[in-house]
Amino acid sequence: SAVISQKPSRDICQRGTSLTIQCQVDSQVTMMFWYRQQPGQSLTLIATANQGSEATYESGFVIDKFPISRPNLTFSTLTVSNLSPEDSSIYLCSVADQPYGYTFGSGTRLTVV
Amino acid sequence: AQTVTQSQPEMSVQEAETVTLSCTYDTSESDYYLFWYKQPPSRQMILVIRQEAYKQQNATENRFSVNFQKAAKSFSLKISDSQLGDAAMYFCAYRTPQGGKLIFGQGTELSVKP
Repeated sequence: SAVISQKPSRDICQRGTSLTIQCQVDSQVTMMFWYRQQPGQSLTLIATANQGSEATYESGFVIDKFPISRPNLTFSTLTVSNLSPEDSSIYLCSVADQPYGYTFGSGTRLTVV
Repeated sequence: AQTVTQSQPEMSVQEAETVTLSCTYDTSESDYYLFWYKQPPSRQMILVIRQEAYKQQNATENRFSVNFQKAAKSFSLKISDSQLGDAAMYFCAYRTPQGGKLIFGQGTELSVKP
């Protein structure tokens, strides 16, 4: 299965600023996914990022708040903009790399103060 | 819309014993995939087991097995000979046929007592 390097592993940010999270995959993958995991909660899909097209956002998530880039088949970034304490969560990227299977990055723990 | 429900927020098992985690889902599709993921405190999501809906045979991976009841839309995970390292949050997930995204249940936190 693919290996994903996700950075940063954690960060503490001031409200009103932005954080960009990077995911680098060691192989080419078509579909990449970004999830949010709020404290003590399950994973919620933010958007699906395909190379060469606009990301597809889930209900409740908008591009202005969570812009995503997917410049090639091995890399993607998620930016969380205009941070508020409610954005404090774990953010995970994932790729569909196995036959109907998925590999996840190690997650980014964001704390907004 | 598809939904996944885990009705057990917490479970506890004695080391070396067997425990079953429950999961139900709702879908109108006939062909889909189901997963159990483990998330230890490290946050890393680890695939435990996968089941294809078109397969009647229940999936098995070493000490982990599932009881897949398609008509009842039930997908439980059985962990045999529980080990301390099994302690983690377990998520049941459904893969949509279109788009390929995963829909997760609320999770079950499993503790293993020595």
